[in-house]
Amino acid sequence: DTGVSQDPRHKITKRGQNVTFRCDPISEHNRLYWYRQTLGQGPEFLTYFQNEAQLEKSRLLSDRFSAERPKGSFSTLEIQRTEQGDSAMYLCASSTQGPPQGYFGPGTRLTVL
Amino acid sequence: AQSVTQPDIHITVSEGASLELRCNYSYGATPYLFWYVQSPGQGLQLLLKYFSGDTLVQGIKGFEAEFKRSQSSFNLRKPSVHWSDAAEYFCAVGALYGNKLVFGAGTILRVKS
Repeated sequence: DTGVSQDPRHKITKRGQNVTFRCDPISEHNRLYWYRQTLGQGPEFLTYFQNEAQLEKSRLLSDRFSAERPKGSFSTLEIQRTEQGDSAMYLCASSTQGPPQGYFGPGTRLTVL
Repeated sequence: AQSVTQPDIHITVSEGASLELRCNYSYGATPYLFWYVQSPGQGLQLLLKYFSGDTLVQGIKGFEAEFKRSQSSFNLRKPSVHWSDAAEYFCAVGALYGNKLVFGAGTILRVKS
């Protein structure tokens, strides 16, 4: 059990650019979650996968955001035409059932200039 | 709607003193409750969780929490704080077989020597 990993850990980009983040969950976990955490706030749910199926998306996930989990293993989160308001920590988590509990990744810190 | 309130944004305690961090929740069903700790720039580490059974739960690093249904509270306590406990603490609520957690805004703990 190597834990949930995320790549990159930090990303600085200019407004209008596209960015993609990767999350590798714990191998036997079929559920994968993305959360966003802005400064001074708790994490907020973005989306959730059961295997390769994206089963729920938050209204926070605008049409500039897309997430995939093509083979039910790793997942990617892409943000198109980034805006300064997208600056946040993006957290990934996984579980076998129920909510994420203890398996959160270290996060990707996005800064949009 | 589900919500979590952490009334204290910042708390400062002296090293060796006791600590209590407050958490109040609003949840329509039987809540699954969690406390997490986050060091700057890091992901979330699970301290403890509660769903049923003994309302006083023990966690890692000497933390404990007490569930009080009548008060809709799940306060975190530690009898003697160490300088290394300085971090941000998040309370969260979910459903046992649900697919997301709702987090509070967090409490930043400062420890003075």
